[in-house]
This record gives sequence, C-alpha cells and structure tokens, in this order.
Amino acid sequence: DAGVIQSPRHEVTEMGQEVTLRCKPISGHDYLFWYRQTMMRGLELLIYFNNNVPIDDSGMPEDRFSAKMPNASFSTLKIQPSEPRDSAVYFCASSLTRGITGELFFGEGSRLTVL
Amino acid sequence: AQSVTQLGSHVSVSEGALVLLRCNYSSSVPPYLFWYVQYPNQGLQLLLKYTTGATLVKGINGFEAEFKKSETSFHLTKPSAHMSDAAEYFCAVSDQNAGNMLTFGGGTRLMVKP
Repeated sequence: DAGVIQSPRHEVTEMGQEVTLRCKPISGHDYLFWYRQTMMRGLELLIYFNNNVPIDDSGMPEDRFSAKMPNASFSTLKIQPSEPRDSAVYFCASSLTRGITGELFFGEGSRLTVL
Repeated sequence: AQSVTQLGSHVSVSEGALVLLRCNYSSSVPPYLFWYVQYPNQGLQLLLKYTTGATLVKGINGFEAEFKKSETSFHLTKPSAHMSDAAEYFCAVSDQNAGNMLTFGGGTRLMVKP
C-alpha cells in the first residue's frame, strides 16, 4: 500500500530560480496538507486542501509561494523566485477523515536548499 | 486558540531507562491529543492519540501517554528505552471544531545512550 509520495527528495537551487515540489496523496484521502520544517520555526502548516479545494492558506509565507491541487491524486507547491531563507524540508501529508481521528500520513519530505 | 509546549528540546537517556517526554497544551475546547515520531530523514508517523474515553493511551513500540485534564498535560512514556527509539517526538493538539488542523509542539529529540 503506497504512502504519500513526494518528489524530489532533495533539491538544490540558486536564489531566484523557480522550485516546484510535488505530492501524491494516499488514494481516497480527501485532505492534503503542506508543511514546512526548519530548525528555527519547527513545523509550520502552509496550506491545506479538502477535495482539491484550498481551504486555508494563511500559513503561506508570501506571494512567492503558491500551491495547487488539480486533481485528487496530485498537488504542487511552487516557490518563485526562491530565496535562501526558503531552505527547509517541505512535507506533504494526507488524511481521510476530519474531526475524529486526526491522523495525518506524511511523506518523506523534500529537502530544499537555496544557495 | 490552541498551543503546545514541549519541555526540553533534547532528552538523553540510557538504554533500558525510563523515557519521559513532556507535553502541555492549551485549548479552549476539549482537545484531541497526538504524539508523532520522526526518524532521521523520514516524515512523521503517528505514535498514539487521545480523543475520548480512557485517559491512558497505548501506542506503538511500547509507548503510552496519559491525558491529565487538570494538569493540561499529555506526557509520553516508555518503561525501557531502546536504541531504536532515538528520534524526534512531536506532541500535537487539535480541537473538535478544527478537525485535522493540528498544532504541533516544537519537538523533543530523544537520544539513547548504550
């Protein structure tokens, strides 16, 4: 049974370049979350979707960040232009139910380094 | 508004010793509480959760946690640490109105000495 799949696992890019991170949630899950993890700020929720619709993007740091979910099996998080302070591990997570179990299934993360 | 405080960003124990990781929360409504574990270079995975009912919750790998409403705490324990328990542990809270909107604590890195 495949879990949440993220790509790329590692990305090194230069400041100013566009970065696209990808996520495939677990089949049948109707919630998808994007988190960012840094040493300084810990785990931060950036945005989440329900049935492919963005519900809360208040955690997106600025307009350089955007996220889409064109269908139930795919989501992207894009940073354009990237900056060194965007260096972090970005996690995608999906969930089947809302309100009761609260169990999120996380991908292995995409480690982004912006030089 | 909810918040989670994990006391101690780093905890070191000897193999075979008791593990105690502390978590205190604040929530305006009865909370759902979770512990997640993150092994190196991996995503988080659920260790255990409290929603309703029995306040002592058992999870995977011999871990358990007790919900103490009077102390607003949800500390994680394991009687005997194993080398494989070395990881980062996150406490999280959600409320019944926010569903899967989890608020995570800052994490505690557990180190196990041989």
